[in-house]
Amino acid sequence: SQQGEEDPQALSIQEGENATMNCSYKTSINNLQWYRQNSGRGLVHLILIRSNEREKHSGRLRVTLDTSKKSSSLLITASRAADTASYFCLLSGNTPLVFGKGTRLSVIA
Amino acid sequence: DAGVIQSPRHEVTEMGQEVTLRCKPISGHDYLFWYRQTMMRGLELLIYFNNNVPIDDSGMPEDRFSAKMPNASFSTLKIQPSEPRDSAVYFCASTRGDGPLHFGNGTRLTVT
Repeated sequence: SQQGEEDPQALSIQEGENATMNCSYKTSINNLQWYRQNSGRGLVHLILIRSNEREKHSGRLRVTLDTSKKSSSLLITASRAADTASYFCLLSGNTPLVFGKGTRLSVIA
Repeated sequence: DAGVIQSPRHEVTEMGQEVTLRCKPISGHDYLFWYRQTMMRGLELLIYFNNNVPIDDSGMPEDRFSAKMPNASFSTLKIQPSEPRDSAVYFCASTRGDGPLHFGNGTRLTVT
């Protein structure tokens, strides 16, 4: 099964700053998805980027995909305390869908 | 749409007891996944179904775990007998094709 690896494992920033987290992988993909998990809750889908796309935006989120480097990044601009959560990338090419360990983001007010 | 519905939200049981977790996926979704999450092991894929058929159960820890999907709107994950190391949050998720996963709120299982 294919699995993305998120980096860094943990990130702590001040409110208003931008947060960037990365996902690297080893196999070919159809699309790559980013999810957020607030403590004790189920994961929530944030954004999906297809293998033929290079960049995608959704509100304060910006995702890039570089298939030549097999990596993706998630940028959260003007972070808020409510953005404190764990963030996971998920590769889609063939099921099963396996998550990495995620990046734990703490936004300090 | 009500989303993916899991029950119960919390389950506390004694070692050796049978535990049954339930999941109702979103109508029209053809894939259903069971995950387990712990601090030590993170989010583990246990089993997934496509059109009610189990496709890959290689993540099921041992024979004490079993999962069924008798129809498109219902799935169960059973642990018999339960052990303290089974304590975790169990998530069910569904999707259509290779679209985004929709997660339930999970069942927090505590085995004493």
